[in-house]
Amino acid sequence: EAGVVQSPRYKIIEKKQPVAFWCNPISGHNTLYWYRQNLGQGPELLIRYENEEAVDDSQLPKDRFSAERLKGVDSTLKIQPAELGDSAVYLCASSPGTWNGYTFGSGTRLTVV
Amino acid sequence: SQQGEEDPQALSIQEGENATMNCSYKTSINNLQWYRQNSGRGLVHLILIRSNEREKHSGRLRVTLDTSKKSSSLLITASRAADTASYFCATGAGGTSYGKLTFGQGTILTVHP
Repeated sequence: EAGVVQSPRYKIIEKKQPVAFWCNPISGHNTLYWYRQNLGQGPELLIRYENEEAVDDSQLPKDRFSAERLKGVDSTLKIQPAELGDSAVYLCASSPGTWNGYTFGSGTRLTVV
Repeated sequence: SQQGEEDPQALSIQEGENATMNCSYKTSINNLQWYRQNSGRGLVHLILIRSNEREKHSGRLRVTLDTSKKSSSLLITASRAADTASYFCATGAGGTSYGKLTFGQGTILTVHP
């Protein structure tokens, strides 16, 4: 089993530029999550998908963040335009059901300069 | 927003000693989960305890849950240097927020060889 695959691993961009992160969950996992983790903090949920439906996006800053999960498999998270405060690790996780343990990817470390 | 609060924030012990980390939360939960995160890596699911359970074991891990006190503890017995990591509790919401998993700030555990 390949695990949850995220790319890129690292990204450095200038503020006001767009950036996109990609996540491929474990095959058969219907539930997919995007979390943001600031240094020294726990992860904070941005959006949760059940198949292709976003069932909780209440903490996604919709003015600059967008996400999609086409065909209920891969997902992309986009920021446009990026701000300095967006520097963080963006984690994707998947699970086979709502209350199974999550499997996390290694994350994308974003630095906005 | 973060629901769980871990205590202590940092813990330093010698190999072979036991490590105990505590987690307190504020609202009612469906379940509580513990995760480990090695530096620069994604989170790894350790154990899930449901709200109607009081204690659960997995190898050298023992988790307790006291819903009346809204608290949980994670005990790692006979610790090893490889247990050095950050440990997060995460609360699974019920009710109107069903399906939402909220992480605490984490406890940094250092096990000295």
